Amino acid sequence: AQSVTQLGSHVSVSEGALVLLRCNYSSSVPPYLFWYVQYPNQGLQLLLKYTTGATLVKGINGFEAEFKKSETSFHLTKPSAHMSDAAEYFCAVSDGNNDMRFGAGTRLTVKP
Amino acid sequence: DAGITQSPRHKVTETGTPVTLRCHQTENHRYMYWYRQDPGHGLRLIHYSYGVKDTDKGEVSDGYSVSRSKTEDFLLTLESATSSQTSVYFCATRTGVNEQFFGPGTRLTVL
Repeated sequence: AQSVTQLGSHVSVSEGALVLLRCNYSSSVPPYLFWYVQYPNQGLQLLLKYTTGATLVKGINGFEAEFKKSETSFHLTKPSAHMSDAAEYFCAVSDGNNDMRFGAGTRLTVKP
Repeated sequence: DAGITQSPRHKVTETGTPVTLRCHQTENHRYMYWYRQDPGHGLRLIHYSYGVKDTDKGEVSDGYSVSRSKTEDFLLTLESATSSQTSVYFCATRTGVNEQFFGPGTRLTVL
């Protein structure tokens, strides 16, 4: 079975600082990897995904993530945090079919 | 936005009563999913459907049943609600490229 570990349930950064949200996965098959963002009282919105090909994936709102097979990681980064980035972020791994597993989530706080 | 609506958006019910949550999509996506979201657990799959009348169990299916009589509608039923089923429930759909689209969620409280 697949699984995802998100390191740090809460991350706090200052506005303009680097955002780094960590995600490690376990999968017995080549993984499909995703980052979703959830704003309060809303559903999940896809930020970016890795399926095949280029390992550095760019998403919406200036976020990007790099698939590192040797480290089984898919960390999410953004060079400069904005107040509007405050939300909860979920990493997910899929087998390409109906088995998608989510991490427990990381709540990002952005301080002015 | 894949045109997914969920109803009701909020519901309070009592232990032992049956509850049905509805998910409606307008995108004609084949695959539909029900998840529950709980603090510290992220989202966990309850049931999914891969076509009309075709459904299967997910990771946390005990106490839940589903039905899909039309492509656009996927119903989740709690046969006899328990306090442990207090949660936020999300419906999702999927195209063939594996990306899932999520509805706005239903907050269910079982007293």
